[in-house]
Amino acid sequence: GAGVSQSPSNKVTEKGKDVELRCDPISGHTALYWYRQSLGQGLEFLIYFQGNSAPDKSGLPSDRFSAERTGGSVSTLTIQRTQQEDSAVYLCASSLGPQSSPLHFGNGTRLTVT
Amino acid sequence: AQRVTQPEKLLSVFKGAPVELKCNYSYSGSPELFWYVQYSRQRLQLLLRHISRESIKGFTADLNKGETSFHLKKPFAQEEDSAMYYCALRSNYGQNFVFGPGTRLSVLP
Repeated sequence: GAGVSQSPSNKVTEKGKDVELRCDPISGHTALYWYRQSLGQGLEFLIYFQGNSAPDKSGLPSDRFSAERTGGSVSTLTIQRTQQEDSAVYLCASSLGPQSSPLHFGNGTRLTVT
Repeated sequence: AQRVTQPEKLLSVFKGAPVELKCNYSYSGSPELFWYVQYSRQRLQLLLRHISRESIKGFTADLNKGETSFHLKKPFAQEEDSAMYYCALRSNYGQNFVFGPGTRLSVLP
């Protein structure tokens, strides 16, 4: 079936505006992750959803960042009052579950804050 | 705390030469280790995982718990191996994946 789908693929926004990034995981995958990929910084964990459990938000860098997952499927990452340092590629990944299943990544959303 | 290090940001080798991408980790339990690869203009994808003990595209990686390492090796590099490689760790309670900073492999003709 289809892989992890992210939209938009590119987003340019002005400093101070809010943005929403969307992720459609692979059907049947109960675990969903958001990562941020910055130049030379590798992948920074942001947030993790597993089924109906409370999400692990330990990686969110500030209270301007939030995410939700509706109906155990689609997830939206929201960044409020964007700053230039938020510019990065935001990657979504899903997996079958927490045990012994690898991550499947989307193509990412490249966010540029001007 | 879980941590993954990849000491080389960039590794250049000639086609046909052996290649080793280093990965070290710190974790007190029994981790699960992965290598992910990102080719130019493609999404990040799984290359191999230590529990499978498999060889993918000629690459192998052995988990050395004594040295806390999971180095990626290939005896004869090919130009199509040029990509960004990330080592990743998942704890034995199966929550978060922690990624290293990545190594860019460049295989020269």
